[in-house]
Amino acid sequence: QKEVEQDPGPLSVPEGAIVSLNCTYSNSAFQYFMWYRQYSRKGPELLMYTYSSGNKEDGRFTAQVDKSSKYISLFIRDSQPSDSATYLCAMGYTGNQFYFGTGTSLTVIP
Amino acid sequence: GAVVSQHPSWVICKSGTSVKIECRSLDFQATTMFWYRQFPKQSLMLMATSNEGSKATYEQGVEKDKFLINHASLTLSTLTVTSAHPEDSSFYICSARDQGTGGNQPQHFGDGTRLSIL
Repeated sequence: QKEVEQDPGPLSVPEGAIVSLNCTYSNSAFQYFMWYRQYSRKGPELLMYTYSSGNKEDGRFTAQVDKSSKYISLFIRDSQPSDSATYLCAMGYTGNQFYFGTGTSLTVIP
Repeated sequence: GAVVSQHPSWVICKSGTSVKIECRSLDFQATTMFWYRQFPKQSLMLMATSNEGSKATYEQGVEKDKFLINHASLTLSTLTVTSAHPEDSSFYICSARDQGTGGNQPQHFGDGTRLSIL
């Protein structure tokens, strides 16, 4: 079983829709959680970083962590064509090792 | 803040050539940097963890003599692909953590280097 599971999609939504991206994990020791956005032929860009259960909001983005269910989500409100990218979840615990999901490809159609 | 610069962004060279890729943390110090490889439409594959002033830690299956890593300062790590062959063609991405602020900081990524070996 992989440490982190993420549906690769692809996911296609109309502009203005609410997007929900999800990851599940198996290791209850994970303490902090990240979402990255990666455009084609670019490095991943950090969107959200959280280390507790609950919600964290930043503009149109909301990260949600449910440690009891080992489940994290990223919500994008009022999605825009510029949000079209691959979204990677990542998580880790004390130390340098990080675990990445495989990424979900998102297309927002104008 | 937390900007990571990677250079070059794209390199094309002949088989047998050695290629050096630089990764710099521009506004923070990074005792640890990471090197990843990414194939088209696939996720990141960690190749090695680069530690300032000591030897890199390579992941299983990664040839340390093929992929030489040097982390000589708190802001610079280099990856050298020695005697590159077409199968080494890939997208290489580095990342770094801001150790100075303490705690468990996220990784910040460079923009990647597209390596094409003819």
